[in-house]
Amino acid sequence: TQLLEQSPQFLSIQEGENLTVYCNSSSVFSSLQWYRQEPGEGPVLLVTVVTGGEVKKLKRLTFQFGDARKDSSLHITAAQPGDTGLYLCAGGGGFKTIFGAGTRLFVKA
Amino acid sequence: GAGVSQSPSNKVTEKGKDVELRCDPISGHTALYWYRQSLGQGLEFLIYFQGNSAPDKSGLPSDRFSAERTGGSVSTLTIQRTQQEDSAVYLCASSLAGAQETQYFGPGTRLLVL
Repeated sequence: TQLLEQSPQFLSIQEGENLTVYCNSSSVFSSLQWYRQEPGEGPVLLVTVVTGGEVKKLKRLTFQFGDARKDSSLHITAAQPGDTGLYLCAGGGGFKTIFGAGTRLFVKA
Repeated sequence: GAGVSQSPSNKVTEKGKDVELRCDPISGHTALYWYRQSLGQGLEFLIYFQGNSAPDKSGLPSDRFSAERTGGSVSTLTIQRTQQEDSAVYLCASSLAGAQETQYFGPGTRLLVL
């Protein structure tokens, strides 16, 4: 059974700090997605990474896919209160997509 | 609208009652998914519809759960004889055909079974 473990489960930081959240698996994934979910909303796709070692940047967010395509990280620079939310990683695609439990981030002003 | 819509947004029901949750996918999306999200848990796959093919029901937790998709568009998830452990957020997503297509999620229905 494929599993995605995310860490930390919860993170509370001050505005302006940097942070990294992790998504790890013992399985190889053909692609990996990161979603952000805000309270009362469904998850919204941030990025998809497909190549081992790939790095993608989205403004202050940097996503990296591990060389072996088993893990990924999300780094946020100078976090802002608007970054508050649940960050989910997901592996695979279509109806076989596996979701992690998420990292709940709270950025205090 | 341009996105996936779900109704109701919130539902409070009594144990033993039946509930119906509705999902309107993005127009033109042939794939539709239902997930359940419990507090502190990841998204739990429930059921998948692709075009006119038979749905993949492998994620449904019990025979109290069923879903249908009429005309290849709107879908209804029905939970019969609800139990307190059914309390969760039920999310619907749709995508274009294909195993690697991006899923677009609706806002979810928050179900509370008393």
